[in-house]
Amino acid sequence: QKEVEQNSGPLSVPEGAIASLNCTYSDRGSQSFFWYRQYSGKSPELIMSIYSNGDKEDGRFTAQLNKASQYVSLLIRDSQPSDSATYLCAVNIPGFQKLVFGTGTRLLVSP
Amino acid sequence: ETGVTQTPRHLVMGMTNKKSLKCEQHLGHNAMYWYKQSAKKPLELMFVYNFKEQTENNSVPSRFSPECPNSSHLFLHLHTLQPEDSALYLCASSRGGAGGTSTGELFFGEGSRLTVL
Repeated sequence: QKEVEQNSGPLSVPEGAIASLNCTYSDRGSQSFFWYRQYSGKSPELIMSIYSNGDKEDGRFTAQLNKASQYVSLLIRDSQPSDSATYLCAVNIPGFQKLVFGTGTRLLVSP
Repeated sequence: ETGVTQTPRHLVMGMTNKKSLKCEQHLGHNAMYWYKQSAKKPLELMFVYNFKEQTENNSVPSRFSPECPNSSHLFLHLHTLQPEDSALYLCASSRGGAGGTSTGELFFGEGSRLTVL
């Protein structure tokens, strides 16, 4: 079983719609969860972090965490073509200075 | 001056060559990392340095040799690489120490695209 799983996509949404990106993880002890955005040919950039169950909102982005289900998601409201990128889910391995990444979900927002 | 700077951005080398990748961070962070990014695969952690001390070696072959002379600089020395080592090598830094939540808040450099012929 992969430690962090994401659907590779592409996920296609029209401009203005809500994009929903999902991630599951295998280590029940994980406490820290992150979403990174990576544009084609660029390096990953942190956009959201979440540590507690529930929702965390930052502008058009909402991260959702459900530790019981080992599930973390990222919602992007009012999607823009500039949001087209690969979104990487990352989970901190407890007790280690180690961040495990998923393979990423490619998001395409069409005008 | 960008936060994390990597050089060279592109490198082509033969299997018998020796080369080095360089990373420098201007963020005052304590931890530095090397990651490997290959197509269709998740980012793979290679090495972690915390206050210049190596704290993680993720079963990386010895043909990759890291060096961290201080908290701001990180090198990856390459020798007798294989074609399957061709990938994007990303350097990152973070504030935190071992196991801290801030260790997930990584700042990446633009990467060094390595091609091994």
